[in-house]
Amino acid sequence: EAGVAQSPRYKIIEKRQSVAFWCNPISGHATLYWYQQILGQGPKLLIQFQNNGVVDDSQLPKDRFSAERLKGVDSTLKIQPAKLEDSAVYLCASSLAVRGIEAFFGQGTRLTVV
Amino acid sequence: GQQLNQSPQSMFIQEGEDVSMNCTSSSIFNTWLWYKQDPGEGPVLLIALYKAGELTSNGRLTAQFGITRKDSFLNISASIPSDVGIYFCAGPRFNNAGNMLTFGGGTRLMVKP
Repeated sequence: EAGVAQSPRYKIIEKRQSVAFWCNPISGHATLYWYQQILGQGPKLLIQFQNNGVVDDSQLPKDRFSAERLKGVDSTLKIQPAKLEDSAVYLCASSLAVRGIEAFFGQGTRLTVV
Repeated sequence: GQQLNQSPQSMFIQEGEDVSMNCTSSSIFNTWLWYKQDPGEGPVLLIALYKAGELTSNGRLTAQFGITRKDSFLNISASIPSDVGIYFCAGPRFNNAGNMLTFGGGTRLMVKP
């Protein structure tokens, strides 16, 4: 079974530029998560989708971050404009059902904002 | 909100030694998950615990769900160099439509051959 796919693996941008990340979850997984992991810390949830609807975006900085999950499968996370403190690894994860606790992660996208 | 505190923050041990790390919370959790993250990779699920008092093994790894439901322990026996990585505990914080996984700060394990 294919795992969670993310791209790109690495991205370097200048501050105030825009960037987008893509995620393809495990087939059949209804729930999709985007996490931000700052160096030396645990992952922090940014947004959670159930199919194509948002169920939790309380920790998403909505002035600059946006995410969508069209057709309940792939998802994109966008940052516009980027700040230096956005440098982090952005992890996508999926799980089988809303209350399915066991989330499976992709390899992540390492973003460096200079 | 709910926070998960992991200790120790880091460990440097000799190959062959046993390792023990723990995770505590001020709130009750109904599930505990333990993940391992290798450098440059996403976290990989090691063990899931669903019942207070539960003791579960996965090879050389053993995890326990504390009776109070506010803590969990992960033990690694006879450590080997490939055990190097960051170990995270995680538990669900229920939101209005389901759950979200909250992660601890991690325990960084280094193994000296």
